[in-house]
Amino acid sequence: EAGVAQSPRYKIIEKRQSVAFWCNPISGHATLYWYQQILGQGPKLLIQFQNNGVVDDSQLPKDRFSAERLKGVDSTLKIQPAKLEDSAVYLCASSLGLAGNNEQFFGPGTRLTVL
Amino acid sequence: GENVEQHPSTLSVQEGDSAVIKCTYSDSASNYFPWYKQELGKRPQLIIDIRSNVGEKKDQRIAVTLNKTAKHFSLHITETQPEDSAVYFCALPGGGSYIPTFGRGTSLIVHP
Repeated sequence: EAGVAQSPRYKIIEKRQSVAFWCNPISGHATLYWYQQILGQGPKLLIQFQNNGVVDDSQLPKDRFSAERLKGVDSTLKIQPAKLEDSAVYLCASSLGLAGNNEQFFGPGTRLTVL
Repeated sequence: GENVEQHPSTLSVQEGDSAVIKCTYSDSASNYFPWYKQELGKRPQLIIDIRSNVGEKKDQRIAVTLNKTAKHFSLHITETQPEDSAVYFCALPGGGSYIPTFGRGTSLIVHP
């Protein structure tokens, strides 16, 4: 089966610019996650969707980050405006159901560098 | 929210030795405990998981043990090989009012 797809793989922008990331989860997976992984740390959840509804976005910096999953399949994560500390790998993951009992499958990630 | 602590942060072993990584947690509602391996520049991938109705699970050279009373679970790798070198993360997948949380990671280095 096809895995989780993400694009772009790499992005370099200057601070205060905007950037968007795209994720296509595994077919049939209801739950989609966006994580931020700063170098040397574990993934940190930004937002979790169940179909097209938000399950949790408590750790999403909503003044600059936004995400949507309008049709319950693909998702986009946007940062506007970017800050230097946003430099990280942004990982998308999906699972059949909520992660409490289901394996999460990760995409290859998007490496963002903010200059 | 959930709190998970992972130790050690770095583990250096000789090929053939065993490696043990431990995670402690605070949420008593967790009943699924996965471990992920992340090679340099690649995505995290599940290597083994355990559910709360068992205390130990093995898959060839890797095993996971769970102590729900003490709230800790550990990853055991025996007969380590250079290709085991990677960062390993424990995770609490969340559920109910808890969000998915990953440990800070353990960088395992296996010297040939």
